[in-house]
Amino acid sequence: DTAVSQTPKYLVTQMGNDKSIKCEQNLGHDTMYWYKQDSKKFLKIMFSYNNKELIINETVPNRFSPKSPDKAHLNLHINSLELGDSAVYFCASSQSSGEAFFGQGTRLTVV
Amino acid sequence: GEDVEQSLFLSVREGDSSVINCTYTDSSSTYLYWYKQEPGAGLQLLTYIFSNMDMKQDQRLTVLLNKKDKHLSLRIADTQTGDSAIYFCAEPHTGRRALTFGSGTRLQVQP
Repeated sequence: DTAVSQTPKYLVTQMGNDKSIKCEQNLGHDTMYWYKQDSKKFLKIMFSYNNKELIINETVPNRFSPKSPDKAHLNLHINSLELGDSAVYFCASSQSSGEAFFGQGTRLTVV
Repeated sequence: GEDVEQSLFLSVREGDSSVINCTYTDSSSTYLYWYKQEPGAGLQLLTYIFSNMDMKQDQRLTVLLNKKDKHLSLRIADTQTGDSAIYFCAEPHTGRRALTFGSGTRLQVQP
């Protein structure tokens, strides 16, 4: 049973396109996150949702919009993709501010 | 500031001990974490330490915490080639429901 699953694992798309990455957790956690990992492996928090409510919205372009239809899902929609958006995007979940469990990542390549 | 700092690279021989260091910033952190990321994979929680502890041992892993200096270390005894990965330390921040990660230390184990 996969605890935190995100799809797709790989995504190659052209500049200007709109794409979504989906994330689901079956751990019963109340908090979900999106992190971005760049080519140097730095990890930065993008968004955090607690019980479907946005609680962290770091400085990311407003082309990035998270959507949480329920506590177990947090999707990331990206409009007008740019070359600089190429990265690995990780979804994670936790119970309150406890340890975070991560998905396997989505490698986004914008060409 | 919110910088969590780690050295970027460590190379050891199989069978030696590895020590990965981390300097964190938030003295009110209740837990501090070590995550492992293998190539092409997500982050896996390796171990954690509660802030009122100085040391925690878990099989080949020993975590040392120096709260005065805000210094955290992870020692891996009898390092194996399967330990080759990137190791991240992480801390939660007061009032935030997300972990802040260090830059990651790439551990290379040579046979």
